[in-house]
Amino acid sequence: EAEVAQSPRYKITEKSQAVAFWCDPISGHATLYWYRQILGQGPELLVQFQDESVVDDSQLPKDRFSAERLKGVDSTLKIQPAELGDSAMYLCASSDPSTGNYGYTFGSGTRLTVV
Amino acid sequence: GQQVMQIPQYQHVQEGEDFTTYCNSSTTLSNIQWYKQRPGGHPVFLIQLVKSGEVKKQKRLTFQFGEAKKNSSLHITATQTTDVGTYFCAGPDRGSTLGRLYFGRGTQLTVWP
Repeated sequence: EAEVAQSPRYKITEKSQAVAFWCDPISGHATLYWYRQILGQGPELLVQFQDESVVDDSQLPKDRFSAERLKGVDSTLKIQPAELGDSAMYLCASSDPSTGNYGYTFGSGTRLTVV
Repeated sequence: GQQVMQIPQYQHVQEGEDFTTYCNSSTTLSNIQWYKQRPGGHPVFLIQLVKSGEVKKQKRLTFQFGEAKKNSSLHITATQTTDVGTYFCAGPDRGSTLGRLYFGRGTQLTVWP
């Protein structure tokens, strides 16, 4: 079964440092999402891509977060500088709604701890 | 903005008992999706419901979409320890099919053997 690849699985960083996460969606999925999940809560969207274009980044803290998907395939999410409140699980997901299936396939996530 | 509310937040059951979680949206949804997240894992898509009043079954799991397309439920018959996890409902942005998904807070299910 096709999977969404994410790395790293775990990341510990000091506050004020830069950190980056990588995601490779299911082949052929044009839509890619980055979600953040705080422990005990549901995932919340940070940014949505359609191919290489950002279609929704309204909840992305743009003063410190950036995301790109240069060739419309894999994607990178960056935080600079990291703050203690950024500790969370960062989930990447992809979907192919053209099939009539609107469900997301999530990657295993990157658990970020900022110390 | 869009809100998806889920109750209860926690549910503890004895193995073999039934379990139900409820989801309510502040707006009419074009579809609703359910996900399961095992402890330490990531959300896994279970099902989507699109039609008003739709009912779908997956073995011991029964999913319903309300007539007004603003509420949904997931019912598990005769729970097993493998059902442990957090169940999330999620709906797309108002008036959208393809937009962002808003997730509920989830119902964390614990099953005692």
